[in-house]
Amino acid sequence: QVHLVQSGAEVKKPGTSVKISCKASGYTFLRYYIVWVRQAPGQGLEWMGMMNPRAGSLSFAEKFEGRMTMATDPSTSTAHMELRSLTSADTATYYCSRPTGGTFRLEFWGQGSHVTVSS
Amino acid sequence: SYVVTQPPSVSVAPGQTARIPCGGSDIGSKSVHWYYQRPGQAPVLVVYDGGDRPSGIPERFSGSSSGDTATLTISRVEAGDEANFYCQVWDYGTFHPVVFGGGTKLTVL
Repeated sequence: QVHLVQSGAEVKKPGTSVKISCKASGYTFLRYYIVWVRQAPGQGLEWMGMMNPRAGSLSFAEKFEGRMTMATDPSTSTAHMELRSLTSADTATYYCSRPTGGTFRLEFWGQGSHVTVSS
Repeated sequence: SYVVTQPPSVSVAPGQTARIPCGGSDIGSKSVHWYYQRPGQAPVLVVYDGGDRPSGIPERFSGSSSGDTATLTISRVEAGDEANFYCQVWDYGTFHPVVFGGGTKLTVL
């Protein structure tokens, strides 16, 4: 069965960067996109971006373009997301998700990685 | 980018039917997915492509879509259904193809 296991919680200072990993198992890693979604405390879900591991193509939400990097390591079936120039507004739980089908239903989710940005 | 709106809350008594709307321009022509999320947990897909259910999701959960509104219907609501529900639109071919509604808190009275 499909599993996505994310890295643990992080506490970061404003202006620094955070890198989150998402290790996939139970499917052929290169065949499916990885989508990143975040959720600020008490708020809704926010799409950040997605990556096609096979083609290397990337798509970012406009607000994260230039500040976010996505990469994959097919040798370990792991996706990485780095967010730079952190502010308190980036305090959130970050999820990786694997979509299914041509309409990108987000069928599988990691457990979430909580990031706290505080001075 | 495409905008999707949901009411902040919906309340229903146990055993009744809950309907959670999701509004968007001509949303009836788009692919809509629904998720529930309990506090501290990751979202769970409950309905996709408007009305299909993943395996393991009870038949009490159904979806429909027409015009500017998509609706998640939960029949015979149980106390355990209390959660936040999010609709998501697949806005293919745009720069922002994954669009979430703001979420609706379902309260079981």
